Amino acid sequence: QKEVEQDPGPLSVPEGAIVSLNCTYSNSAFQYFMWYRQYSRKGPELLMYTYSSGNKEDGRFTAQVDKSSKYISLFIRDSQPSDSATYLCAMGGVGGATNKLIFGTGTLLAVQP
Amino acid sequence: GAGVSQSPSNKVTEKGKDVELRCDPISGHTALYWYRQSLGQGLEFLIYFQGNSAPDKSGLPSDRFSAERTGGSVSTLTIQRTQQEDSAVYLCASSSRPGLAASTDTQYFGPGTRLTVL
Repeated sequence: QKEVEQDPGPLSVPEGAIVSLNCTYSNSAFQYFMWYRQYSRKGPELLMYTYSSGNKEDGRFTAQVDKSSKYISLFIRDSQPSDSATYLCAMGGVGGATNKLIFGTGTLLAVQP
Repeated sequence: GAGVSQSPSNKVTEKGKDVELRCDPISGHTALYWYRQSLGQGLEFLIYFQGNSAPDKSGLPSDRFSAERTGGSVSTLTIQRTQQEDSAVYLCASSSRPGLAASTDTQYFGPGTRLTVL
């Protein structure tokens, strides 16, 4: 079993839809949770960063972390064609002062105009 | 400011040849990572440099893979005797300091080098 599980998709939605992306994980020691967005033939870029459980909102994006269920989510409201990309979840904070991250395999999202 | 840069952007080589991939991290970043991303796969961790500490090589898939970081800045990933299964995008990332206490501590990625082994 992988340490971080993510549905690879592809996920296709119409413009304006609410998108829900999810990851599950097995290591309860993870403390920091991130979502990266990766456009085709580009490197991943940090989209959302959260510490421990709870919600964080940034514009059309909301990240949720449920440590009791070992489950994280990214919601995209009013999705746009420009949101079409691969979304990678990432987790870290195990073992103290380290930046090491464990990534999910990514979910490919296509927003249809 | 300038982000993480990688060169070349694309590399096509023949099976059995050696290749070198270069990464220039963000100035002042002490941590540097190499990852491999194969089609349909997530980011596979390869190696991690932090300051002057011994690198974490735990992700290198075989002894054909090695990496160096000179002067705490530029890094080179070398793959010897390349195999077709080495074909992938090789991504480099850097971060400013150990720990993840702030979003700015997390990893910033370069655009990657797409390696094709024929």
